[in-house]
Amino acid sequence: TAGITQAPTSQILAAGRSMTLRCTQDMRHNAMYWYRQDLGLGLRLIHYSNTAGTTGKGEVPDGYSVSRANTDDFPLTLASAVPSQTSVYFCASRATLNTEAFFGQGTRLTVV
Amino acid sequence: RKEVEQDPGPFNVPEGATVAFNCTYSNSASQSFFWYRQDCRKEPKLLMSVYSSGNEDGRFTAQLNRASQYISLLIRDSKLSDSATYLCAVTRDNAGNMLTFGGGTRLMVKP
Repeated sequence: TAGITQAPTSQILAAGRSMTLRCTQDMRHNAMYWYRQDLGLGLRLIHYSNTAGTTGKGEVPDGYSVSRANTDDFPLTLASAVPSQTSVYFCASRATLNTEAFFGQGTRLTVV
Repeated sequence: RKEVEQDPGPFNVPEGATVAFNCTYSNSASQSFFWYRQDCRKEPKLLMSVYSSGNEDGRFTAQLNRASQYISLLIRDSKLSDSATYLCAVTRDNAGNMLTFGGGTRLMVKP
């Protein structure tokens, strides 16, 4: 079973360039999330979406944008990457408020 | 103050030991609670949900204390394979559908 898939698994990106991190789930979950994980800072929420067509800002949204055109896909875009966006990015999804979240395998992004 | 806080550790324990972690949350409107396990360079995976009455799954016991606003995870008879980072997660209905994580507690079980 696929579950939730992220692409690419890793990327080196020049500062100032744009990039879209892809996230797709096949579980028909309503809610989707993007987190970044940095050493010592845990998982910090960037953006989330409760359902297709809606998005919301998390704890650290600046420099990132998302869209939710359909249930399955939740891409994260960096319009102009900066070195501080070097991190591991995890996408997650879950069916409802009281259910567990499932995570993708992560994208390791290095901005140089 | 962060919404969800954990002692980062590391907790270094011998095999067979019992170890407990706490996770405090600041918002009394928090509704659902979870413990996740994360292995190095891997994605977090659900260990167990935390129910109001407390729940147990083999060597793992999770409890919720709403009055003091914390959840706990107890691991009995620690195994080498329990070495990982344990993350707590909290949701609030009045915060949309946001799922907020603590910074994680690292556990190292030694022979």
